[in-house]
Amino acid sequence: SAVISQKPSRDICQRGTSLTIQCQVDSQVTMMFWYRQQPGQSLTLIATANQGSEATYESGFVIDKFPISRPNLTFSTLTVSNMSPEDSSIYLCSVEDEGGGSFGYNEQFFGPGTRLTVL
Amino acid sequence: DQQVKQNSPSLSVQEGRISILNCDYTNSMFDYFLWYKKYPAEGPTFLISISSIKDKNEDGRFTVFLNKSAKHLSLHIVPSQPGDSAVYFCAASVGTGANNLFFGTGTRLTVIP
Repeated sequence: SAVISQKPSRDICQRGTSLTIQCQVDSQVTMMFWYRQQPGQSLTLIATANQGSEATYESGFVIDKFPISRPNLTFSTLTVSNMSPEDSSIYLCSVEDEGGGSFGYNEQFFGPGTRLTVL
Repeated sequence: DQQVKQNSPSLSVQEGRISILNCDYTNSMFDYFLWYKKYPAEGPTFLISISSIKDKNEDGRFTVFLNKSAKHLSLHIVPSQPGDSAVYFCAASVGTGANNLFFGTGTRLTVIP
């Protein structure tokens, strides 16, 4: 299993500012994923970050709002830009178990999350 | 459009008794189902899964049941222990890949000693 750390663990930010969240994995992985969990909602995939190429964003998420970097195989950042109170969420990064899981499906390992509050 | 639904936001159970967490889905194309467990200040951790070709998968105290005709999934924990107190997320996937994985909103289980 992969060990994933995130920084910061939580932050309180002012409207209109930006916050960059870091995700570090203890092993090299091909893809890293960024999720958002708004209060009372399910985990929603924001984007997939591949090393050496642009991130792939899911419907409803755009690069200008959530720019992502993936400089190497163990690290990624997600920036939440021009924040509004609606961006208050828990942001999580995850990686797949590339060793193979059950039924041919690779389970995901999640970081501890970053709790963001925008005032 | 919530494709995976957990209609019970919370559940309390006495230690030693059975905990049953329920999950409903709408997409008949889902072929893989998972349960994740989340403690406060930690990320979700994989608990147990089941393929659509099966109707039951058991791992120790945890059993997942799949009723495809009803589009219903349940997680049974027997016997429940105080350490099982956490938020449980149901998830479903069409094939592999994180972009095909859909999560429910979670059920907070409290096991009372």
